[in-house]
Amino acid sequence: AQKITQTQPGMFVQEKEAVTLDCTYDTSDQSYGLFWYKQPSSGEMIFLIYQGSYDEQNATEGRYSLNFQKARKSANLVISASQLGDSAMYFCAMREVHTGANSKLTFGKGITLSVRP
Amino acid sequence: GAVVSQHPSWVICKSGTSVKIECRSLDFQATTMFWYRQFPKQSLMLMATSNEGSKATYEQGVEKDKFLINHASLTLSTLTVTSAHPEDSSFYICSAPHRTALLLGYTFGSGTRLTVV
Repeated sequence: AQKITQTQPGMFVQEKEAVTLDCTYDTSDQSYGLFWYKQPSSGEMIFLIYQGSYDEQNATEGRYSLNFQKARKSANLVISASQLGDSAMYFCAMREVHTGANSKLTFGKGITLSVRP
Repeated sequence: GAVVSQHPSWVICKSGTSVKIECRSLDFQATTMFWYRQFPKQSLMLMATSNEGSKATYEQGVEKDKFLINHASLTLSTLTVTSAHPEDSSFYICSAPHRTALLLGYTFGSGTRLTVV
């Protein structure tokens, strides 16, 4: 079963507008962590934001915020005031704690975001 | 912050030759290194997990004799693609878990684009 689901094939947003990138996940663990990464065309993986399963408040990092709905098992990334440099591929990933201290990340398929000027 | 230096950034090799990719943790000890493979516009696929001083754990379907992983020290993990063929052409990227005061996150190398001709 797919653990991280990103179904949006590609997203377009006008510069300066906000955009939401969807992510749903599946786990039987009570303790887990959710990550969002940005991958520009250069290939580097840039960490954006993290949400722990026990965190009561939604994570925020500058223009990035995470809309965490635990009961629905969704962890959508919201980018406010989009910039041209936000054009990239975005990955949602999950770490299941039961797999150990150095547990691996499971990635979603990714979403391509294009920001229009 | 924690840095994983990955070399080379890109490599072109002839079919049948072997290519070594190095990932070095520069300011922390990486007891574990994850190796991923990524095709264009697709997600990161975990190939194997290396742990310092022990044999790597390969994901199902990954040929361990073709993708040799060595993690001989706490700062160096290598992936050798042996007898490379055009179908091995891909983007390879490593990642090491790294704990900060706030988060157990993952530091990624910058990736290696391998082209086999």
